[in-house]
Amino acid sequence: QQQVKQSPQSLIVQKGGISIINCAYENTAFDYFPWYQQFPGKGPALLIAIRPDVSEKKEGRFTISFNKSAKQFSLHIMDSQPGDSATYFCAASTDKLIFGTGTRLQVFP
Amino acid sequence: DVKVTQSSRYLVKRTGEKVFLECVQDMDHENMFWYRQDPGLGLRLIYFSYDVKMKEKGDIPEGYSVSREKKERFSLILESASTNQTSMYLCASGRWAEAFFGQGTRLTVV
Repeated sequence: QQQVKQSPQSLIVQKGGISIINCAYENTAFDYFPWYQQFPGKGPALLIAIRPDVSEKKEGRFTISFNKSAKQFSLHIMDSQPGDSATYFCAASTDKLIFGTGTRLQVFP
Repeated sequence: DVKVTQSSRYLVKRTGEKVFLECVQDMDHENMFWYRQDPGLGLRLIYFSYDVKMKEKGDIPEGYSVSREKKERFSLILESASTNQTSMYLCASGRWAEAFFGQGTRLTVV
């Protein structure tokens, strides 16, 4: 039962461009929405997270936008760099963590 | 730095074998988790443990069991490996929403 839907499955962006990954959820009890970044051969690592009482959170080039009424949230990577090439997972949490299916981002110079 | 160490990066096992995947964390975390990662399916929770000798089933526990005899160590056991258990296995520790992951074990069952 997939409770967090993530799109796109893969994304190709030119260096300097904006990468946008979208997620939607169903369960309104979710109270924490983290994003994980996974490089090849590594485990996922927490990148940035947001709570539903905030509409936006920015950390450096990474921004989460959150739309509570639409039950959607997205990750924006500004000025994308080749070093950002990785798989990104959105997730949602109450007492457990439910992951999206992942987006493979490739940033070309 | 938090360190979660999985004993093997790659494993190849035969169908029907009993397989042990080991995980050790050095941050004195109460919670430890085992996830399975498959393309197009994301990460799915197999089992978790919130204390020594305590375990709870996750979303896909069938065919797996776990052991937590010491706080720092959490083992995943495939009782009789099958080809549909070929996957990347990820161990994690910490809080639910801010877990620290190991590097993963890629298991191939032939």
